[in-house]
Amino acid sequence: QVHLVQSGAAVRKPGASVKVSCMASGYSFNTYFIHWVRQAPGQGLEWMGIFRPGDGSTRYSQRFQGRVTMTGDTSTTTVSMELSSLKYDDTAVYYCTRDNSGWAFDLWGQGTLVTVSS
Amino acid sequence: QSALTQPPSASGSPGQSVAISCTGSSSDVGTYNTVSWYQHYPGKAPKLIIYEVTKRPSGVPDRFSGSKSGNTASLTVSGLQADDEADYYCCSHADGDNWVFGGGTKLTVL
Repeated sequence: QVHLVQSGAAVRKPGASVKVSCMASGYSFNTYFIHWVRQAPGQGLEWMGIFRPGDGSTRYSQRFQGRVTMTGDTSTTTVSMELSSLKYDDTAVYYCTRDNSGWAFDLWGQGTLVTVSS
Repeated sequence: QSALTQPPSASGSPGQSVAISCTGSSSDVGTYNTVSWYQHYPGKAPKLIIYEVTKRPSGVPDRFSGSKSGNTASLTVSGLQADDEADYYCCSHADGDNWVFGGGTKLTVL
């Protein structure tokens, strides 16, 4: 069975950083790109960026440029997303999701709630 | 990159059909045949129901269909059922190797 399993919920203070991990299983890790999408409370889905495991390349939404870093570890089939300089409105559920090579997201992690609170 | 425009809400009675629009621009929907649609229940992960404008993943009922004309894509849900009540989001690849979502539409089955 194919799965994306994310790390647990996190609470951070404003200005801190958070790293969310996403472990892939059941498929060839290097074959599919991984995107990160978030949903703030009461808001819609927002695309954050893409990580390409084959060559480690990334593309970030302009909205997060300079604050987000996506990395991968082939040995553990894990992709991570680190968001720095956290603000209160970064409070959201963060999802990793697999690109099905048809420009769509066919497999999702369970979501990780990140709360920014003083 | 601006979000795609969706109506905030839509509704229909069981058995009826409802269409949800998704309006973008020539930088996204109008240029790329990459519109996808997601069904999202609160507290759950989104589920892909349409990709590449019209294609359905395995297991998605053919009551769900997609189309596109110009800068506007549409999702049609036919034969509405109670468990179709959810939030629906469109998404498109966009210029500059970006992806953009719509604001979401809450579908209510009356």
